[in-house]
Amino acid sequence: QSALTQPPSASGSPGQSVTISCTGTSSDVGGYNYVSWYQHHPGEAPKVLIYEVSKRPSGVPDRFSGSKSGNTASLTVSGLQAEDEADYYCNSYAGGRNFVFGTGTKVTVL
Amino acid sequence: EVQLVESGGGLVQPGGSLRLSCAASGFPFSRYWMTWVRQAPGKGLEWVANIKDDGREKSYVDSVKGRFTISRDSAKNSLYLQMNSLRAEDTAVYYCARDCGHGRLDPWGQGTLVTVSS
Repeated sequence: QSALTQPPSASGSPGQSVTISCTGTSSDVGGYNYVSWYQHHPGEAPKVLIYEVSKRPSGVPDRFSGSKSGNTASLTVSGLQAEDEADYYCNSYAGGRNFVFGTGTKVTVL
Repeated sequence: EVQLVESGGGLVQPGGSLRLSCAASGFPFSRYWMTWVRQAPGKGLEWVANIKDDGREKSYVDSVKGRFTISRDSAKNSLYLQMNSLRAEDTAVYYCARDCGHGRLDPWGQGTLVTVSS
């Protein structure tokens, strides 16, 4: 149950795109299409952005998109806005009814 | 409105116990898996435990196995986390979340702070 690996930080100017990676193993990210992504503004409840690798819940802007290749999932935020500055976490099913989060990425809008 | 409200956090000494509650409203609680997630100060999110809609299946992260017990009461629309033998490293904000399927956690509560310290 080791945490999935994310870069500690990412940044971009307003309007630019930023992509966050989430690397696991064949026992979690690579083994299932059950990767979700969460946005967390400190002091608030985390919010789901993407589920099942690339599906977007209603109400989430299409600026947020997800994908997966092998053992690595990715979240892309296009058209960065000031309110996108937050912490982002991936989460994957890891078998046996267990799940595991990524280490988290702090996104800064320059 | 779908809502989750945690309670029961506080300051407890190492080795002590605490029971967290999560009151659910606005959805058919008995039809959903539920999950506890925690965030230690300055750290990332950590998946802690989950429980099947009927309460018959439960799973835990290795670090809390044998110490924490997740349970639910559908009559009260409530989720619980009984935490025993608490350690300093259990200090965290604990969130409950509804699992909408395959780990899609939505929504989350606002969290309750547990501090383990002498």
